[in-house]
Amino acid sequence: AQSVTQPDIHITVSEGASLELRCNYSYGATPYLFWYVQSPGQGLQLLLKYFSGDTLVQGIKGFEAEFKRSQSSFNLRKPSVHWSDAAEYFCAVGPNSGGSNYKLTFGKGTLLTVNP
Amino acid sequence: DAMVIQNPRYQVTQFGKPVTLSCSQTLNHNVMYWYQQKSSQAPKLLFHYYDKDFNNEADTPDNFQSRRPNTSFCFLDIRSPGLGDAAMYLCATSRAGGSGYTFGSGTRLTVV
Repeated sequence: AQSVTQPDIHITVSEGASLELRCNYSYGATPYLFWYVQSPGQGLQLLLKYFSGDTLVQGIKGFEAEFKRSQSSFNLRKPSVHWSDAAEYFCAVGPNSGGSNYKLTFGKGTLLTVNP
Repeated sequence: DAMVIQNPRYQVTQFGKPVTLSCSQTLNHNVMYWYQQKSSQAPKLLFHYYDKDFNNEADTPDNFQSRRPNTSFCFLDIRSPGLGDAAMYLCATSRAGGSGYTFGSGTRLTVV
């Protein structure tokens, strides 16, 4: 069964500092990987996704993530955090094929607080 | 813009009174999902439709039902809401080809 672990429940960084959010997955084959962001009271917005090819993927809002197959990781990074980045971040994994049972598995999320 | 729209954004219902949440999409995605998300937790999949085929998660209570009358609309019915059903309900769609989900803004359900 597929699973996602986000080891950090809550991270606090200062505005302008760099950020790395960790994500580890368990999956039998090469998965599709996603990062979503959720602001309070809102739905989830896709930041970026990895399907294949270049293991460093660029997303919206200046975020990037690196797929490391050997470590089963897909960590999210941003070189300089802005106060508006404060939100909850979810890593998700899904199968690399479609079908009637296509669904994503989400991690428990990491809450990001940004100090001025 | 193509999108997923959930109505209402906020819903207050009485304990035991049936309630229906609505989701519509203009993306023409063939898969639609309903998730329940409680405070500070990951979204939990309740069920999904692949076209007209309904797929229920094993641990989804019978109190939760869903209808998909056409490609664009999907409804979540809670037959007898309890206090424990208070949560954010998220609708998502997918092209079922591995492309990920598009989420709506959610409906915050309060049970009084």
